Amino acid sequence: AQTVTQSQPEMSVQEAETVTLSCTYDTSESDYYLFWYKQPPSRQMILVIRQEAYKQQNATENRFSVNFQKAAKSFSLKISDSQLGDAAMYFCAYTGGSRLTFGEGTQLIGFGNVLHCGSGTQVIVLP
Amino acid sequence: SQTIHQWPATLVQPVGSPLSLECTVEGTSNPNLYWYRQAAGRGLQLLFYSVGIGQISSEVPQNLSASRPQDRQFILSSKKLLLSDSGFYLCAWSVSGRATDTQYFGPGTRLTVL
Repeated sequence: AQTVTQSQPEMSVQEAETVTLSCTYDTSESDYYLFWYKQPPSRQMILVIRQEAYKQQNATENRFSVNFQKAAKSFSLKISDSQLGDAAMYFCAYTGGSRLTFGEGTQLIGFGNVLHCGSGTQVIVLP
Repeated sequence: SQTIHQWPATLVQPVGSPLSLECTVEGTSNPNLYWYRQAAGRGLQLLFYSVGIGQISSEVPQNLSASRPQDRQFILSSKKLLLSDSGFYLCAWSVSGRATDTQYFGPGTRLTVL
């Protein structure tokens, strides 16, 4: 049976830094797909990135990229220039047929270190 | 573009009451449809999947059932809810005929059984 393992229950990252989430899988199939899904507090599952097993080139989507090591059955997700909105639960998933097998997830916690300022409010005190 | 809807968004039901959760897909024909359940802080468990009208495959024996009365409608039901049925239920769809294609998820239904 196919299994997906995410060995990191929780990870943290500073804003603007890079973080890598690990995933390993077990399969006897030669043709399959791998995915990373993001689940924010709203709990909707959002596709982040997809990798076809027959492609040697690692998939990239903007700040998100994968390190796909087929022989080692490893599929890690790298998030570059992390933003506070990246904080979420991330699930690795595998499919070699009609079924999608998920890992148990990695909770990514973000820490802000960049001060974001508003446009300001002018207060006028009338005599 | 394709969209997937789930109704209701949240539901609180007493033990022993019936259940009906609805999932509809727009913008595609003859999709593969899936029902998943997610316990708090855990991964997703596939409950049912369907490759066509009236064709339902069950992955986990339980007191839940699924039906597909129309091409783009998938319903999850129960005659008598158990406390253990509480969870977050997600519906998903994928392109028909491509077993390894991407699955796209709906917004989910949060079910609490008291």
